[in-house]
Amino acid sequence: NAGVMQNPRHLVRRRGQEARLRCSPMKGHSHVYWYRQLPEEGLKFMVYLQKENIIDESGMPKERFSAEFPKEGPSILRIQQVVRGDSAAYFCASSPSPIKIPDGYTFGSGTRLTVV
Amino acid sequence: AQSVSQHNHHVILSEAASLELGCNYSYGGTVNLFWYVQYPGQHLQLLLKYFSGDPLVKGIKGFEAEFIKSKFSFNLRKPSVQWSDTAEYFCAVNIRHASGGSYIPTFGRGTSLIVHP
Repeated sequence: NAGVMQNPRHLVRRRGQEARLRCSPMKGHSHVYWYRQLPEEGLKFMVYLQKENIIDESGMPKERFSAEFPKEGPSILRIQQVVRGDSAAYFCASSPSPIKIPDGYTFGSGTRLTVV
Repeated sequence: AQSVSQHNHHVILSEAASLELGCNYSYGGTVNLFWYVQYPGQHLQLLLKYFSGDPLVKGIKGFEAEFIKSKFSFNLRKPSVQWSDTAEYFCAVNIRHASGGSYIPTFGRGTSLIVHP
């Protein structure tokens, strides 16, 4: 039973390009959470999605960032026109339900985005 | 606003020393509580969790945590640390973001633990 799969592990983009980060949740998990990790700042919540629905995007920057979780395929976090400040590690977590999580949330290995 | 606070940002210990990492949250509703560990360059792994029942929770690798509802705290402890415990430790709480909204795992800033051999 594969865990949460994130790819790519490392992504380098020039300023102004688009970054696409993918997250495939654990089998049987339909709830996906995206977090951004900056040094000395911990994990900041970005967005919570279920299949085909954005449930809570209160942590997403208003511009350039978007997320989706289609009926088929992985969840995608898209950052348009990247800037140096977007450089961070982006983690995805999944759970089988929003509250019944006997094994906690399962995290992927993250995507480390570097904007040059 | 609801939040999770970890007061110790950097902790340095020698092997065999005892460890206690503080975690406090500000939320009046029912909570689920977690501690995660992140080893250098790796993803977050669950150490232990509290949902209900005995407020003293045992986790993996000899870690335990105590939920004290009156203090809104969930401190992590280990009687004797090892060099291999060097990692970042995150406290997390399921917090309902808004009235009637979804529960979102909200993380503290993290505590960097360095254990000297």
